[in-house]
Amino acid sequence: AQSVAQPEDQVNVAEGNPLTVKCTYSVSGNPYLFWYVQYPNRGLQFLLKYITGDNLVKGSYGFEAEFNKSQTSFHLKKPSALVSDSALYFCAVRQTGANNLFFGTGTRLTVIP
Amino acid sequence: SAVISQKPSRDICQRGTSLTIQCQVDSQVTMMFWYRQQPGQSLTLIATANQGSEATYESGFVIDKFPISRPNLTFSTLTVSNMSPEDSSIYLCSVEVRGARGNEQFFGPGTRLTVL
Repeated sequence: AQSVAQPEDQVNVAEGNPLTVKCTYSVSGNPYLFWYVQYPNRGLQFLLKYITGDNLVKGSYGFEAEFNKSQTSFHLKKPSALVSDSALYFCAVRQTGANNLFFGTGTRLTVIP
Repeated sequence: SAVISQKPSRDICQRGTSLTIQCQVDSQVTMMFWYRQQPGQSLTLIATANQGSEATYESGFVIDKFPISRPNLTFSTLTVSNMSPEDSSIYLCSVEVRGARGNEQFFGPGTRLTVL
């Protein structure tokens, strides 16, 4: 069975400060890991993914995520938050051999001016 | 990448009626998915729709309630049948695109359904 945990429903950060949105996973085999962002009244947008290779993955809008196999984590990070980063962020995993994504419950990020 | 459009973008429906949601993709794709996002919750996969075969439904979802069509490689429909207020959700179409670095899933803008 696969699972994704986003332990924080809400993350608040001041504009210009670094941000971290946490994600841990459980999956059989090698995981394929993803981050998506959902802005109000808009569809999900792909941010970044980890398949193989470097543990630090860089994605859209200055976001990056670090794959940590020993901690089964894939935390999303950004060095300097913008107010426009305020949105709902979803971590997702795809199990080897599967086609669909399994999503976490989402974390609402609010960047305070 | 893939550009996905959905119709309608939102609707308000009466209990007991049915609504068909359309999903159009700007390129040919083999795998299409339908997800549901209930208010304040995450996305849950309803079914996988491959062209030329019957849709595969996840646990808790059945064809009689959510019939799916997949007539070609760029189009799919999801029908929400005999609706009840519990069906109020955002319904999202998604496609898988094979790229140089593996498969990626792209999502449509969603259809926001409210059942009274």
